Amino acid sequence: EVQVLESGGGLVQPGGSLRLSCAASGFTFSSYAMTWVRQAPGKGLEWVSGISGSGGHTYYSASVKGRFTMSRDNSKNTLYLQMNSLRAEDTALYYCAKGPYGDPLGYYYYYMDVWGKGTTVTVSS
Amino acid sequence: QSVLTQPPSVSGAPGQRVTISCTGSSSNIGADYDVHWYQQLPGTAPKFLIYGNSNRPSGVPDRFSGSKSGTSASLAITGLQAEDEADYYCQTYDSSLSGVVFGGGTKVTVL
Repeated sequence: EVQVLESGGGLVQPGGSLRLSCAASGFTFSSYAMTWVRQAPGKGLEWVSGISGSGGHTYYSASVKGRFTMSRDNSKNTLYLQMNSLRAEDTALYYCAKGPYGDPLGYYYYYMDVWGKGTTVTVSS
Repeated sequence: QSVLTQPPSVSGAPGQRVTISCTGSSSNIGADYDVHWYQQLPGTAPKFLIYGNSNRPSGVPDRFSGSKSGTSASLAITGLQAEDEADYYCQTYDSSLSGVVFGGGTKVTVL
């Protein structure tokens, strides 16, 4: 069964850092682009970042660019999101999602066909 | 405020047909970028529903259908069922923002 499972969420103070992980199973991880999407409490979905199958290309929303870094370890079938300089508005449920292909040229047009259950990040003093 | 506008809510009786609009602009839907749709049942993660404007992945009932025209896309649910009560989101690419965008979401209520 194709699955992704997020971990690493928690409570962090403003200005702090946190690293999220997403463990993938049931598919050839390196062949697929991956995406982080977040959902603030009671709000809609917001795209955060994406990465190509090889990891050579990364994509970020304006709201996190320069603060968040997305990476992947294809040998461990694991995706990461390093979050620095966290702000209250980063408080959300963070989902990891799989794309349909790994080609970096098409990343922005991809849908997300498998989603994890999410991990909660709370930024508060 | 999303660049893709969806009605906050729609409702219908069991068996009826409801449609959810997703209105964009010339930098996203109007630029002929594909639109995808997701269903989020209460308290759960989003589920992939429609891809490439009108294609259903395996396992999605044919009660769900998608279309696109001009700067808008639509999701239709025919034969509405109680289990369809959920939030629905559209998604595409926006060239002005150079990023993936989601609509604000629409809550479907089955009366």
